[in-house]
Amino acid sequence: GQQVMQIPQYQHVQEGEDFTTYCNSSTTLSNIQWYKQRPGGHPVFLIQLVKSGEVKKQKRLTFQFGEAKKNSSLHITATQTTDVGTYFCANTNAGKSTFGDGTTLTVKP
Amino acid sequence: DTGVSQDPRHKITKRGQNVTFRCDPISEHNRLYWYRQTLGQGPEFLTYFQNEAQLEKSRLLSDRFSAERPKGSFSTLEIQRTEQGDSAMYLCASSLTYAAGELFFGEGSRLTVL
Repeated sequence: GQQVMQIPQYQHVQEGEDFTTYCNSSTTLSNIQWYKQRPGGHPVFLIQLVKSGEVKKQKRLTFQFGEAKKNSSLHITATQTTDVGTYFCANTNAGKSTFGDGTTLTVKP
Repeated sequence: DTGVSQDPRHKITKRGQNVTFRCDPISEHNRLYWYRQTLGQGPEFLTYFQNEAQLEKSRLLSDRFSAERPKGSFSTLEIQRTEQGDSAMYLCASSLTYAAGELFFGEGSRLTVL
């Protein structure tokens, strides 16, 4: 997969605030996957995006793939304490997934 | 439980010793992957198998690392002559070939090299 960069590295929010993490690439990506890793846990697949401009929603989570397919974002509306963890984006090419270094979200009750 | 299982969950060893990790993928998944993860970083690709064939191995992986999947089911990852820099979480994942982007990870095997 292609190298992907994530920002910010850390995000601290008050419960109820929104949260967004960004995933960027210098090259066009054929796909983007998003994973969540809870503290002490393993990465869990959330979603895959493949189309230019694609938007997918999972309850309070909204995933977007940029028009140029060089960036993606994950937005969480009204964060809850259960949202804490590290969110990774990844790109898969020729069977190999390349992960970003993640954005770690902490939520203060 | 029909998820990906890894054994052992924790391994503490002395520098220079050999260690072996085992991964049992989801039974119908024909692809199996090994990743390594250190604190504050995303999973780093090591190698992957399609059934019993090892299709790719990371160029970053030294010759001390070897992986097998002899019957296309479980896999082992062996690290010979361990070094302190090998300390990490070793994650196994599996997937279906046509859904290669959707990886199902195991709980991982944490290696500490003293």
